[in-house]
Amino acid sequence: DTAVSQTPKYLVTQMGNDKSIKCEQNLGHDTMYWYKQDSKKFLKIMFSYNNKELIINETVPNRFSPKSPDKAHLNLHINSLELGDSAVYFCASSSSGVSDTQYFGPGTRLTVL
Amino acid sequence: GENVEQHPSTLSVQEGDSAVIKCTYSDSASNYFPWYKQELGKRPQLIIDIRSNVGEKKDQRIAVTLNKTAKHFSLHITETQPEDSAVYFCAATINTNAGKSTFGDGTTLTVKP
Repeated sequence: DTAVSQTPKYLVTQMGNDKSIKCEQNLGHDTMYWYKQDSKKFLKIMFSYNNKELIINETVPNRFSPKSPDKAHLNLHINSLELGDSAVYFCASSSSGVSDTQYFGPGTRLTVL
Repeated sequence: GENVEQHPSTLSVQEGDSAVIKCTYSDSASNYFPWYKQELGKRPQLIIDIRSNVGEKKDQRIAVTLNKTAKHFSLHITETQPEDSAVYFCAATINTNAGKSTFGDGTTLTVKP
């Protein structure tokens, strides 16, 4: 009965490849997020979706493309991976206007070789 | 946009001592201030939060204070224990549709037994 889940947990790939990370939440939340946590542990928001609509799009290379097929899912596709993309990516969800507390997924550690 | 500064970046205390982490924010529209604890290799998890209409909130050994005029808020942990060792993040959130949280850079707390 995991609240926010991500797959895969680990992803090791070569530069130039394309990869996807999937996120699902079963909390009934209407807002989902993607964060990037680099080696210095800084937590930076990348995207936010509310009811499947893109709300927040921080300065992120357009090689990153989020997709929200429904309110419970927010996937992240990354094209032409670069060394600097290596990080832990966290998905999160919240119920806007109700709690605002964000519940994080377990993270996906992406390593680009 | 919102800017959140968090200090100190590292904090080491003896077991039983108190620990204080401070954050300042820039946007007076921010009205929700959560604190997250991230243990090594784990996801960030909410430990306490405060809204802009409250000046202080306490939950057992942890407390948060908010000074809206000065735009700063602090986390206080009393009687620290080794299991309190973690990275702590403050965040400032503007409660709009899909409230955007801006995170501080984190404080690595080490509690020495």
